[in-house]
Amino acid sequence: DTEVTQTPKHLVMGMTNKKSLKCEQHMGHRAMYWYKQKAKKPPELMFVYSYEKLSINESVPSRFSPECPNSSLLNLHLHALQPEDSALYLCASSHRGQGNTEAFFGQGTRLTVV
Amino acid sequence: EDQVTQSPEALRLQEGESSSLNCSYTVSGLRGLFWYRQDPGKGPEFLFTLYSAGEEKEKERLKATLTKKESFLHITAPKPEDSATYLCAVHEFYFGTGTSLTVIP
Repeated sequence: DTEVTQTPKHLVMGMTNKKSLKCEQHMGHRAMYWYKQKAKKPPELMFVYSYEKLSINESVPSRFSPECPNSSLLNLHLHALQPEDSALYLCASSHRGQGNTEAFFGQGTRLTVV
Repeated sequence: EDQVTQSPEALRLQEGESSSLNCSYTVSGLRGLFWYRQDPGKGPEFLFTLYSAGEEKEKERLKATLTKKESFLHITAPKPEDSATYLCAVHEFYFGTGTSLTVIP
């Protein structure tokens, strides 16, 4: 099973709201990732967790707050977002997070900020 | 700084017309180069991992190859269902800009 599950599939939120995106994998992977993808652009790396520790933060604004409660779960907490943050948010996982094994992606959460 | 560049940006092929997509990379110490396929509104789907120059991987109509500076994704006798965006990535999954492939029946 190479499934990464993301919820919700769609989310509409106001600029003053607080919401969370969730991601789950049961492949025994120890690295998990958040990406942001705008239309007709490639996925852009936001955060990497390796063995439940934040190992990469690509200078993401603090209105995005990641959390890795355990090796199977990854959350992205959203607060005071801007309309330009509307995008497809993708979660992925890989075996070790050392850049030498493939990552498997979820189907994404389509976020609209109004 | 790691850089990944893909060409062409878009490619239209007739069904059965073979072609190649290019991924050029500049990294310090390649740990892995990855090819993905992405359909509109969906997450990328893993295709291949390549580790060292000279390596080749095949799957159905697709064949990926790697040199010290670039990787190619060769598509043999494509079908309309091969239409998608093809992405390459290196290391912690820094992606190139992608090639949008359309195969016309």
